[in-house]
Amino acid sequence: EPEVTQTPSHQVTQMGQEVILRCVPISNHLYFYWYRQILGQKVEFLVSFYNNEISEKSEIFDDQFSVERPDGSNFTLKIRSTKLEDSAMYFCASSEGASNSPLHFGNGTRLTVT
Amino acid sequence: AQSVSQHNHHVILSEAASLELGCNYSYGGTVNLFWYVQYPGQHLQLLLKYFSGDPLVKGIKGFEAEFIKSKFSFNLRKPSVQWSDTAEYFCAVTTQAGTALIFGKGTTLSVSS
Repeated sequence: EPEVTQTPSHQVTQMGQEVILRCVPISNHLYFYWYRQILGQKVEFLVSFYNNEISEKSEIFDDQFSVERPDGSNFTLKIRSTKLEDSAMYFCASSEGASNSPLHFGNGTRLTVT
Repeated sequence: AQSVSQHNHHVILSEAASLELGCNYSYGGTVNLFWYVQYPGQHLQLLLKYFSGDPLVKGIKGFEAEFIKSKFSFNLRKPSVQWSDTAEYFCAVTTQAGTALIFGKGTTLSVSS
């Protein structure tokens, strides 16, 4: 069964550094998402992406965050200047269509900001 | 804004016990409802979903959920749990107006053999 893959599985960075989290969605999916889960808290929506542009974003997704689909397969999340509170598990997901299509999630990248 | 509430933070059961995990959402319009499961060290996986039709939906691994519109609820049930059901369970909702999937805080299920 095709799956969403994320790299790296764990990223440690210093405060103020830029990080790029990478995701390869399922190949025939059209919608792409990033979610995050701070330890002990709920999974939070960050951003959705469709047709090469952001379709929806949450309040969390401020100017420090950006997403890109640099080629036909990768979908990246960049955090320009990491803060301690960015430490979380970041999940990439993709779906075939819009709100009634189930999301398929990757294994996540654990980001630790020191 | 939509929100999802899961009432049980941690549930501890013995094998063969019955399970019911509560989920309530707040949104007055049409919703699509999901239950996801996250086994230790693994990614979120879809257990079951409700879009329309029969409010009792059956998912994988013997799980089912019932949508009760009047109660804004979508509780997850399993008649007899197994040790392998130990995981974190997330209820989630989308509306037809948007694509964001809104999650509840999750319920940790621990099943002892």
